[in-house]
Amino acid sequence: GENVEQHPSTLSVQEGDSAVIKCTYSDSASNYFPWYKQELGKRPQLIIDIRSNVGEKKDQRIAVTLNKTAKHFSLHITETQPEDSAVYFCAVSAGGGADGLTFGKGTHLIIQP
Amino acid sequence: KAGVTQTPRYLIKTRGQQVTLSCSPISGHRSVSWYQQTPGQGLQFLFEYFSETQRNKGNFPGRFSGRQFSNSRSEMNVSTLELGDSALYLCASSLDGLAGVDTQYFGPGTRLTVL
Repeated sequence: GENVEQHPSTLSVQEGDSAVIKCTYSDSASNYFPWYKQELGKRPQLIIDIRSNVGEKKDQRIAVTLNKTAKHFSLHITETQPEDSAVYFCAVSAGGGADGLTFGKGTHLIIQP
Repeated sequence: KAGVTQTPRYLIKTRGQQVTLSCSPISGHRSVSWYQQTPGQGLQFLFEYFSETQRNKGNFPGRFSGRQFSNSRSEMNVSTLELGDSALYLCASSLDGLAGVDTQYFGPGTRLTVL
């Protein structure tokens, strides 16, 4: 089955700096790559997603890049703010149909004031 | 539109008991997926329902089962509870559940504690 590796597990950055979280996956047929943000005690919230026919997508301070050849994708957050502190999960769809999402283990992002 | 809702939000059970969790999807969404979230294993896919049919299943024992009703609401059942079943159970809804097309929106989860 699909395997998703996410790094780093914890990331501490100064407020205003950029943060980058990387994920690799194993199934070359995977075609959907969402990122979720989960604050303590709350539900995962979709923050951005990308599909396999696109290499990069941006939404204000958040961007995702996808390299299908290397089977990895990354989340980029610029000008980080205290409210960006949360756990971020990457996910991959297993290749079509009604497959569930396979998640990475998560990255705890800490924004230092 | 109202978001995905789950009931109950918290549940405490003892080993050997069974439990039923409920999920109401966003209006118009026909696909409901269930996930288990634990600190050790992270978020793991349990199963997905569409039009009252289970379309896909993750790697969980048969003690975990579910169903979906004609109004797209879904229930998940865990029988013969074990300590390791303690987790946050999340459901997510999407329009058609087609990977690569649909976005999944999560509910707040049900926190199950097994004593």
